[in-house]
Amino acid sequence: GAVVSQHPSWVICKSGTSVKIECRSLDFQATTMFWYRQFPKQSLMLMATSNEGSKATYEQGVEKDKFLINHASLTLSTLTVTSAHPEDSSFYICSARDGRSNTEAFFGQGTRLTVV
Amino acid sequence: KQEVTQIPAALSVPEGENLVLNCSFTDSAIYNLQWFRQDPGKGLTSLLLIQSSQREQTSGRLNASLDKSSGRSTLYIAASQPGDSATYLCAAPQTGANNLFFGTGTRLTVIP
Repeated sequence: GAVVSQHPSWVICKSGTSVKIECRSLDFQATTMFWYRQFPKQSLMLMATSNEGSKATYEQGVEKDKFLINHASLTLSTLTVTSAHPEDSSFYICSARDGRSNTEAFFGQGTRLTVV
Repeated sequence: KQEVTQIPAALSVPEGENLVLNCSFTDSAIYNLQWFRQDPGKGLTSLLLIQSSQREQTSGRLNASLDKSSGRSTLYIAASQPGDSATYLCAAPQTGANNLFFGTGTRLTVIP
């Protein structure tokens, strides 16, 4: 299957700082990428949908000014957690679809964010 | 809004046993459904994708079925092995949306 690479796999940051997470589709073009968040012992919850070249669409309750998403190319989307706080500590996972088929979704390896 | 439910939440079986994981969804107008595996602290590995026109899909010891009319899917694992121990997630899209809605998963433990 297609490969989605997410980096970094884990990060520890101080409260108040910003963290950028990258999501790359390595062997296909992804017109749409998705960002999910997973808290311990819970399932994945969609945070936002990013479309190449346009603004991201955020789910209800997700602060767009706090979670900045940029999808500048067909192979790269970034999520920046600004002014991170301990409650932002979570597992963040990106997903991408092949722009041609729009069917199977492929996921990155996830990023474990710990804010201290 | 699509709601996906998985039962059981946890399952423990002896090695070699066959098992079935259940998934139900509320919006049956889906174009596909995916089953994933997640190991602790890791991302998702796609196991099987079933298109809406299919009734089942097989990969090795895994077989997934889909019954859109009843809003159900099952994942059958044959001859379970300790390496199958993981959380299994079912995910389905929603009419008009492109993202996936996930169940809370079934945590499987296969005892050697």
